[in-house]
Amino acid sequence: AQSVTQLDSQVPVFEEAPVELRCNYSSSVSVYLFWYVQYPNQGLQLLLKYLSGSTLVKGINGFEAEFNKSQTSFHLRKPSVHISDTAEYFCAVDGGADGLTFGKGTHLIIQP
Amino acid sequence: DGGITQSPKYLFRKEGQNVTLSCEQNLNHDAMYWYRQDPGQGLRLIYYSQIVNDFQKGDIAEGYSVSREKKESFPLTVTSAQKNPTAFYLCASARDRDLTEAFFGQGTRLTVV
Repeated sequence: AQSVTQLDSQVPVFEEAPVELRCNYSSSVSVYLFWYVQYPNQGLQLLLKYLSGSTLVKGINGFEAEFNKSQTSFHLRKPSVHISDTAEYFCAVDGGADGLTFGKGTHLIIQP
Repeated sequence: DGGITQSPKYLFRKEGQNVTLSCEQNLNHDAMYWYRQDPGQGLRLIYYSQIVNDFQKGDIAEGYSVSREKKESFPLTVTSAQKNPTAFYLCASARDRDLTEAFFGQGTRLTVV
């Protein structure tokens, strides 16, 4: 079985400041990890994914994440956020035939 | 353009009525999924289908039903047995079991009054 824990339900941060959204996982199958972004009343858009290889993964909109096997973490980071980054962010792990298993989400709030 | 389409975007129904949410994809994907999203709950899997004419229950299948008569379509029916149907519903598709290339629809917000 697999599970995903997003430790923060809300993260407020000032515009142009750095941000880190935390994600920890457990999985008994191959570890494929994902971060998705959701804007209000929209579907999910893939930000980035880790499949194998380099543990530092770069995604769209200036986001990156680092896979840490020993700490079973896949934290999302951005060096400088913008108002347009205000959204809900979901971490997910590939559960095989059962589809993706999601965390409960982190609401990123950008303050001017 | 290839994609996955959910309709309608907003849906209102009276309590006790069944309602069907549409999900269509033209990506030639074998696998399709339905998720329910509630505030602070993340996404929870309702049903999934890996192939036409076959589907499996997810974590919260009670009160829901699906069909997969065509590869392109995976409609979800919210029945009157679903105790708390008001939620945001998301459909997704993926090539076979390769979730590394999953696509999501724009969602349907169902409100039961």
